[in-house]
Amino acid sequence: GAGVSQSPSNKVTEKGKDVELRCDPISGHTALYWYRQSLGQGLEFLIYFQGNSAPDKSGLPSDRFSAERTGGSVSTLTIQRTQQEDSAVYLCASSLRYGYTFGSGTRLTVV
Amino acid sequence: GQSLEQPSEVTAVEGAIVQINCTYQTSGFYGLSWYQQHDGGAPTFLSYNALDGLEETGRFSSFLSRSDSYGYLLLQELQMKDSASYFCAVEGGATNKLIFGTGTLLAVQP
Repeated sequence: GAGVSQSPSNKVTEKGKDVELRCDPISGHTALYWYRQSLGQGLEFLIYFQGNSAPDKSGLPSDRFSAERTGGSVSTLTIQRTQQEDSAVYLCASSLRYGYTFGSGTRLTVV
Repeated sequence: GQSLEQPSEVTAVEGAIVQINCTYQTSGFYGLSWYQQHDGGAPTFLSYNALDGLEETGRFSSFLSRSDSYGYLLLQELQMKDSASYFCAVEGGATNKLIFGTGTLLAVQP
């Protein structure tokens, strides 16, 4: 596609429920990132996929968070047993080398 | 690990020039990038420096000094639409991952 697509754009979930966030990167982009941004804050690194290499998961805040990237394209970020502190905008970005293109994000609200 | 420091806020007037500084710590440095984010929007890529020196793209320029672990973004002929948050980001570490600074909120006043 022309840009990075994320779905859903908004998600309200009850505390304790699991959520899945989807990212469709730009076709051909080998690198894919997930970041988290709380209101008025910076971008917190979560996970990084690069080609066929093992992902860098060093930013995942707990074992409730996991992500996969299928076929080197679509990625899914899963949060299990959501907590209120998980509320944030989750951003996906992709690139061929540098100059990442970001999606519009998924705004997650845990109530 | 990787870390970056940049000022939290900068204020300037329309038509002026402003410089946003960024210092970083990382192992295995690959490059320094700058991103712009308007309120409620997604970050957009502005510039990338892998080598020392100045890169110019229209009204925006970015500088890098690898020996000083320092860079800056220079915005000229400021316009009201330049009011946004600006993030520096460094690629480095064992996996060449991109880590962002905390951002500088630029307010352009008439």
